[in-house]
Amino acid sequence: DTEVTQTPKHLVMGMTNKKSLKCEQHMGHRAMYWYKQKAKKPPELMFVYSYEKLSINESVPSRFSPECPNSSLLNLHLHALQPEDSALYLCASSQVSRTANEKLFFGSGTQLSVL
Amino acid sequence: AQSVTQPDIHITVSEGASLELRCNYSYGATPYLFWYVQSPGQGLQLLLKYFSGDTLVQGIKGFEAEFKRSQSSFNLRKPSVHWSDAAEYFCALTSGGSYIPTFGRGTSLIVHP
Repeated sequence: DTEVTQTPKHLVMGMTNKKSLKCEQHMGHRAMYWYKQKAKKPPELMFVYSYEKLSINESVPSRFSPECPNSSLLNLHLHALQPEDSALYLCASSQVSRTANEKLFFGSGTQLSVL
Repeated sequence: AQSVTQPDIHITVSEGASLELRCNYSYGATPYLFWYVQSPGQGLQLLLKYFSGDTLVQGIKGFEAEFKRSQSSFNLRKPSVHWSDAAEYFCALTSGGSYIPTFGRGTSLIVHP
């Protein structure tokens, strides 16, 4: 199994809603990532978990709250989002390697629209 | 600091024509270089990667890339483009100091029939 599975594929939410994005992988990867991607732009790193611990937070607003319940699952909890948060949210995973030569495996993303 | 530059925002080619997408990098030592492809509404998929050794790297879907240290480049090539190759292409770099990739801004490939 070389897949990263993200649910839901599409999500429409109001600015007062609370929702969660889910990501799952069964490749034994111990690094998991959340990226935000606007149309025609490269992915922007939001969070990195390494061995289920948050290792990188790229100064993301607190209305985005990541969670890594176990080595296979990664969640992104959303609350009080703004319309400018509308984007494709991508999850990725990789081996943790000291040589930095590991590729990322990406999910298909969740297309989020905030009304 | 490391950086990746993809100078072309859009490239348009005819189906069956050859393709070259440019990527230049800035890093003090030898980087690890990647090319990813993203179809509309999808995640990124790795096409190929370079770590060391042979500077001509073969990837999936008939793509290849050549690492040229003297030019700080890692250009992606394909001898004959298919309509299904229309997508966004991202060059990325990691280094001994960080496994988090630095992405270029992407090049959008348009294929005319």
